[in-house]
Amino acid sequence: EIVLTQSPGTLSSPPWERATLSCRASQSVDSSYLAWYQQKPGQAPRLLIYGASSRAAGIPDRFSGSGSGTDFTLTISRLEPEDFAVYYCQQYGSSPLTFGGGTKVEV
Amino acid sequence: EVRLVQSGAEVKKSGESLKISCKASGYSFSHYWIAWVRQMPGKGLEWMGVIYPGDSDVRYNPSFQGQVSISADQSRYTAYLQWSSLKASDSAMYYCAKSDFWSGKLDSWGQGTLVTVSS
Repeated sequence: EIVLTQSPGTLSSPPWERATLSCRASQSVDSSYLAWYQQKPGQAPRLLIYGASSRAAGIPDRFSGSGSGTDFTLTISRLEPEDFAVYYCQQYGSSPLTFGGGTKVEV
Repeated sequence: EVRLVQSGAEVKKSGESLKISCKASGYSFSHYWIAWVRQMPGKGLEWMGVIYPGDSDVRYNPSFQGQVSISADQSRYTAYLQWSSLKASDSAMYYCAKSDFWSGKLDSWGQGTLVTVSS
């Protein structure tokens, strides 16, 4: 099973700043099958990024993903008030699919 | 518009059985996979397993194999997650989500079903 470790656990940042979230895999993720999801309190997760760097439909371009192999990054270029949430990475290259423990982005 | 609408919150006792549902609309239900994801209180996401409604092919996370059963009814555009004997540790929020492949990204999600099991 591929273990995903996200850091930091909590990111405190004011609005309008840049946020960089990390996701490290215990082994290489096949074909960059790495996704990022956003979850706000009381809501279901929402797909932001897939294939490590492709934005899902309707996702603003301030969200970008990068990385390959075992190291992946989600960057929010300029934090908007609605971006304060928990972010999860997920690998879908091998079974079982696994998620990271999450990074909470707070003011 | 793709929509996944899940059944309502459940309160059960240990040992009872339960079946929760996920009704799909806005796409060809038979031709996409439906995954189930668990989120325990205050915790992260866990992939439980996935079904292809077209032929009921099911893949389970080994951690959940034998603990739950995943099924689907094409005629009702609905997928199900079932327990035969609940435990207090099954208390969690359960989400269904649509995927292109059995091991694909989860591109649309249901609103979640909260299951509470008392001992």
